[in-house]
Amino acid sequence: AQSVTQLGSHVSVSEGALVLLRCNYSSSVPPYLFWYVQYPNQGLQLLLKYTTGATLVKGINGFEAEFKKSETSFHLTKPSAHMSDAAEYFCAVRSDFPAAGSYQLTFGKGTKLSVIP
Amino acid sequence: DGGITQSPKYLFRKEGQNVTLSCEQNLNHDAMYWYRQDPGQGLRLIYYSQIVNDFQKGDIAEGYSVSREKKESFPLTVTSAQKNPTAFYLCAIKANTEAFFGQGTRLTVV
Repeated sequence: AQSVTQLGSHVSVSEGALVLLRCNYSSSVPPYLFWYVQYPNQGLQLLLKYTTGATLVKGINGFEAEFKKSETSFHLTKPSAHMSDAAEYFCAVRSDFPAAGSYQLTFGKGTKLSVIP
Repeated sequence: DGGITQSPKYLFRKEGQNVTLSCEQNLNHDAMYWYRQDPGQGLRLIYYSQIVNDFQKGDIAEGYSVSREKKESFPLTVTSAQKNPTAFYLCAIKANTEAFFGQGTRLTVV
C-alpha cells in the first residue's frame, strides 16, 4: 500500500526566506507524486506534479519539487517566501488499478505554512 | 475547481437530521470522489464512483450514503448515524493524471 509522510505539521518562515516542506512516500511501483495547496475554507489546488521524465518539476507561484527515488522523497521548495504563501500544503501519491482503469490518491496529513513579516 | 461546484459552502445541521451535500461537475469526467477533512488528519476517502449507477465505499463510509444517477452529479448524504459529522467535505473529479477539487462544504452540527 502507498503511504505519504509529511514531516512537520507546522512550518514557520520569515518573509523572503527559503521554504522547505518535506514529503516522503512509500510505493511499490514508480510513483506519480503531487503537491496541492489549500487556502482557508477553500478546496485543494494543484501546485505541481511528477509523472515521468525530469525529476525537478516546477509549479505555480515559484514552487518546485525534486523527485529523489533513492531517498523516496518529494520535497517542496521556494527560494523566497511571500506572505501570500501562507496556506496548508498536501503531498500525495497515486496508486494505479490497471484492471479497473482507475487510480487512488493517498494524501499526507498536511503542513501548515506560516510566513512571518 | 473550474467546473466542479459544491453547495452550499456552509451548512448547519441539528443532531439527528440527515443532510445532503451537492457536488456537480461539467468536466465530463466519469470518476468522482468525496473526502472528509479534519484538522491535522489530511483527507480521508468517504465514497467514490467510477461510473454512473455505481459507487464504492472508501475508508470512512459509515454514516454516509451517496448516489450517482447522472454523470454530472454525485451528492453525499450525511446521515444521523454519523457520530461526528462536523468537518470540511471536499468533492473531487479524477482526470487522467491528477484530481481536481471543488471549493468544499463546511458542515457544522449545532
